[in-house]
Amino acid sequence: GENVEQHPSTLSVQEGDSAVIKCTYSDSASNYFPWYKQELGKGPQLIIDIRSNVGEKKDQRIAVTLNKTAKHFSLHITETQPEDSAVYFCAAIFYGNNRLAFGKGNQVVVIP
Amino acid sequence: DTAVSQTPKYLVTQMGNDKSIKCEQNLGHDTMYWYKQDSKKFLKIMFSYNNKELIINETVPNRFSPKSPDKAHLNLHINSLELGDSAVYFCASSGDRRHYTFGSGTRLTVV
Repeated sequence: GENVEQHPSTLSVQEGDSAVIKCTYSDSASNYFPWYKQELGKGPQLIIDIRSNVGEKKDQRIAVTLNKTAKHFSLHITETQPEDSAVYFCAAIFYGNNRLAFGKGNQVVVIP
Repeated sequence: DTAVSQTPKYLVTQMGNDKSIKCEQNLGHDTMYWYKQDSKKFLKIMFSYNNKELIINETVPNRFSPKSPDKAHLNLHINSLELGDSAVYFCASSGDRRHYTFGSGTRLTVV
């Protein structure tokens, strides 16, 4: 069945350091992997996504890598800033029902 | 202009009451969703409508009834509210069922 695992559940980093969040998925036919950021009191917001025909994508300080063989993908945030503190959700589209399945979320805390 | 707007933002009500949460999107998207986020931040899909037609109906108590009068609106009505219904409810919309735009959420507290 569809399953997206996300870890670690909480990550604390010093300002300026890098943060990495990893996700694994179960359906090898999945072909789209977005990341959402949820700030306190707000709804999740799409920040970056990657399709299965690409191994890496960057957008300024954030990047996503995809390993289709191992069925995992990661979010990398470099030079972290206090405004990066939020809950981050990975997700995957499952080919069978075209439904977006979310991971359980990861609380990132950037310590000034 | 707010792309996906939900009302109310906060809702406090007593057990047994009936309440509604409204959602409107001005993005021209065909598909709308309701998600429930519990205290552990887990996002659980509840319902999805595509052009006013129900396409996803997860295992949700039948006390929850979605209504879509047109493709820009998806409302959620909850009957006989229970303590366990306390959560943040998010509405979302999508034009391609890949890129989701979420509302800012409705925090429901049942006392």
